[in-house]
Amino acid sequence: KQEVTQIPAALSVPEGENLVLNCSFTDSAIYNLQWFRQDPGKGLTSLLLIQSSQREQTSGRLNASLDKSSGRSTLYIAASQPGDSATYLCAVRTLGTGTASKLTFGTGTRLQVTL
Amino acid sequence: NAGVTQTPKFRVLKTGQSMTLLCAQDMNHEYMYWYRQDPGMGLRLIHYSVGEGTTAKGEVPDGYNVSRLKKQNFLLGLESAAPSQTSVYFCASRPQGARNTEAFFGQGTRLTVV
Repeated sequence: KQEVTQIPAALSVPEGENLVLNCSFTDSAIYNLQWFRQDPGKGLTSLLLIQSSQREQTSGRLNASLDKSSGRSTLYIAASQPGDSATYLCAVRTLGTGTASKLTFGTGTRLQVTL
Repeated sequence: NAGVTQTPKFRVLKTGQSMTLLCAQDMNHEYMYWYRQDPGMGLRLIHYSVGEGTTAKGEVPDGYNVSRLKKQNFLLGLESAAPSQTSVYFCASRPQGARNTEAFFGQGTRLTVV
């Protein structure tokens, strides 16, 4: 059974710092890994999707890496801003029952960027 | 750009009452999903659908039913609500085809059962 772990559960950094969020998963037979952002009381916004054959993806100040063999992904946020404060979730897609794939989520890292 | 829309956004039910949550997507996606999010547990899959007229059970299906009569809509029903079903419910959709496709989520429905 796939298990996804995100450490730390919460993180507070001053504005301007570069930071790394970690995600690990137990089953390396994944199709892709997706990073989401969730603001309090809101839905999930997709940030980056890394396919299993890729090593990294970049979008603006965000860079996500994937090491499938070791079951790890990192989300790097450069020059953090107060607007980056949110909960960041990672999810991996693996084969589910039958032919349908499934997303397994971590419990998230709650990030606070202070002035 | 509506994307995935969930109705209602908030609801309070009494134990034993029934209700239906509606999810609508305008992206012509084949796959649709219902998740629940509880503190400290991450999102867990309740039911999903791989196309119009199909449904399947996820990890935590007990106490819920679903229907996908139209491709764009996926309904989640609670026949007899219980306090354990207090949660935030999210609907998601994604295209068919390669499994390397992005999932899109709605804004959530916050349900409280008292």
